[in-house]
Amino acid sequence: QKEVEQNSGPLSVPEGAIASLNCTYSDRGSQSFFWYRQYSGKSPELIMSIYSNGDKEDGRFTAQLNKASQYVSLLIRDSQPSDSATYLCAVDNAGNMLTFGGGTRLMVKP
Amino acid sequence: NAGVTQTPKFQVLKTGQSMTLQCAQDMNHNSMYWYRQDPGMGLRLIYYSASEGTTDKGEVPNGYNVSRLNKREFSLRLESAAPSQTSVYFCASTRAGVTDTQYFGPGTRLTVL
Repeated sequence: QKEVEQNSGPLSVPEGAIASLNCTYSDRGSQSFFWYRQYSGKSPELIMSIYSNGDKEDGRFTAQLNKASQYVSLLIRDSQPSDSATYLCAVDNAGNMLTFGGGTRLMVKP
Repeated sequence: NAGVTQTPKFQVLKTGQSMTLQCAQDMNHNSMYWYRQDPGMGLRLIYYSASEGTTDKGEVPNGYNVSRLNKREFSLRLESAAPSQTSVYFCASTRAGVTDTQYFGPGTRLTVL
């Protein structure tokens, strides 16, 4: 069973701080990596995708991928209360399915 | 442009009853997916359809069947509902497979008594 692991949290950070969310995966053949945000009672929405080793920045969000360590992370700079949500890491599985982690709940305190 | 729509939004069933969850997308996407989400377990893939005319099992297919009616519509059927199928069900679509962004519908909250 191919696995994607996340700390369930909650991760609590003060407003304006950097939030760091981590994810590890078991399938060395995975090529596509995603971070989805899910507000309570809502459906997931994509915030970042990353396909190669290194960093990818989009506004306040930075995704980091290290395939050798089978590790992907999401940094949120200048965290806002509106960033409070559950963040789901997703990894492709044999190229035709996504496997999701259990999600990390982030709380940004004003 | 409604994106991905799902019906119904809420449903309560008794054990043994059957029902079909409907999903439609208007983005001309090729691939469609059905997930279930249980507390603390993220999303688990039930079935997917990589393209019109094809369907494949995902991680947790037991107790479910699907139909890709046409390019727009992908339905999920519970033939004999069980309490273990109480969950939130999400439909999603992508233009071309899992390397693309998945667009999710609003979900169906199903309770089986």
